[in-house]
Amino acid sequence: QKEVEQDPGPLSVPEGAIVSLNCTYSNSAFQYFMWYRQYSRKGPELLMYTYSSGNKEDGRFTAQVDKSSKYISLFIRDSQPSDSATYLCAMRGRAGNNRKLIWGLGTSLAVNP
Amino acid sequence: DTAVSQTPKYLVTQMGNDKSIKCEQNLGHDTMYWYKQDSKKFLKIMFSYNNKELIINETVPNRFSPKSPDKAHLNLHINSLELGDSAVYFCASSQVQSAEAFFGQGTRLTVV
Repeated sequence: QKEVEQDPGPLSVPEGAIVSLNCTYSNSAFQYFMWYRQYSRKGPELLMYTYSSGNKEDGRFTAQVDKSSKYISLFIRDSQPSDSATYLCAMRGRAGNNRKLIWGLGTSLAVNP
Repeated sequence: DTAVSQTPKYLVTQMGNDKSIKCEQNLGHDTMYWYKQDSKKFLKIMFSYNNKELIINETVPNRFSPKSPDKAHLNLHINSLELGDSAVYFCASSQVQSAEAFFGQGTRLTVV
């Protein structure tokens, strides 16, 4: 079993839809949870960052972490064609070998006008 | 002002050649990384340097050798290139205690 599981998609939605992207993980030492967005032929860029459990909202984006279920989510409201990209989850722990960032495979999202 | 810049952006070369990719960051970070992203888009860490010291060295062939002349630079030299080395190589940097890594635009390496 991989440390981080993420459905690669592709996911195709109409403009304006609510998008839900998810990752599950197995290492209970993970405490920092990130979502990166990667446009085609570009490097990943940090979209959302959450420490430990809870929700974080930034404009149309909401990140949720449920440590008891080892499950994280990214919600995109009122999705736009410009949101079409690959979304990668990444996470790590605080110390030692757990400090290494572990990545999901990325979910490819297409928002159709 | 580009935060993490890597050169070249594209690299096409023949099998057996030796090539280098350069990376520089102007963010004042003390940790730099090399990642490989294959055709399936999976991002895999190769190396990490903290203050010029190697701290992560994943299982990569020893044909790959990173070099960090100072905190702001991390170069990747690849000997005897093979077809399977074709991928996009990303450089990134972060502060050690920070979760946030900043990525360069990538170097698309094609070995023919």
